[in-house]
Amino acid sequence: AQSVTQLGSHVSVSEGALVLLRCNYSSSVPPYLFWYVQYPNQGLQLLLKYTSAATLVKGINGFEAEFKKSETSFHLTKPSAHMSDAAEYFCAAGSGSARQLTFGSGTQLTVLP
Amino acid sequence: GAVVSQHPSWVICKSGTSVKIECRSLDFQATTMFWYRQFPKQSLMLMATSNEGSKATYEQGVEKDKFLINHASLTLSTLTVTSAHPEDSSFYICSARAGQVAPSEQFFGPGTRLTVL
Repeated sequence: AQSVTQLGSHVSVSEGALVLLRCNYSSSVPPYLFWYVQYPNQGLQLLLKYTSAATLVKGINGFEAEFKKSETSFHLTKPSAHMSDAAEYFCAAGSGSARQLTFGSGTQLTVLP
Repeated sequence: GAVVSQHPSWVICKSGTSVKIECRSLDFQATTMFWYRQFPKQSLMLMATSNEGSKATYEQGVEKDKFLINHASLTLSTLTVTSAHPEDSSFYICSARAGQVAPSEQFFGPGTRLTVL
């Protein structure tokens, strides 16, 4: 069974600062990994996904994530935070054979002016 | 990209009534649809998985007689909360998966806020 751990339920950064949201997965086989963003009272929007191609994945809105098998991590980063980045971020994992996603508990990102 | 819609976006109902939520894939055929429940400031909890034309598979602890799921076509799945009670108040999100896209990728609807009085 897979599990996804997001360290830090709340992260605050200043506008223009680096954003780093942590995600670790537990899986017996390399999973497919996703980062989603959720704005208040809305569904989830896909930021980026890792599907065993390049380990550094670039997504929308300037976000990127690096798959590190040795660390079982898939941390999300953005060089310079913008006020519009304030939202809830979810890391999720899914295997090729399973149809379901396992979600982390989420990280609320606050961007301070 | 693939678009998934939900209707209604919010609903308020009285305790004991039933509420139906629709989930539609607008520009692709969804072989599988998923229903999630999300409590405030919490993650998504998978309730059930449904494939077109077959019975839904419910997660452990989810009452299938209370949360009726129908996936009658490749573009529509419905979730009916029967005899709703205040504890059923939550944010319900559906997602859809198409056979053509990368394995496990799901496209999410905007969610439905259910409030049971």
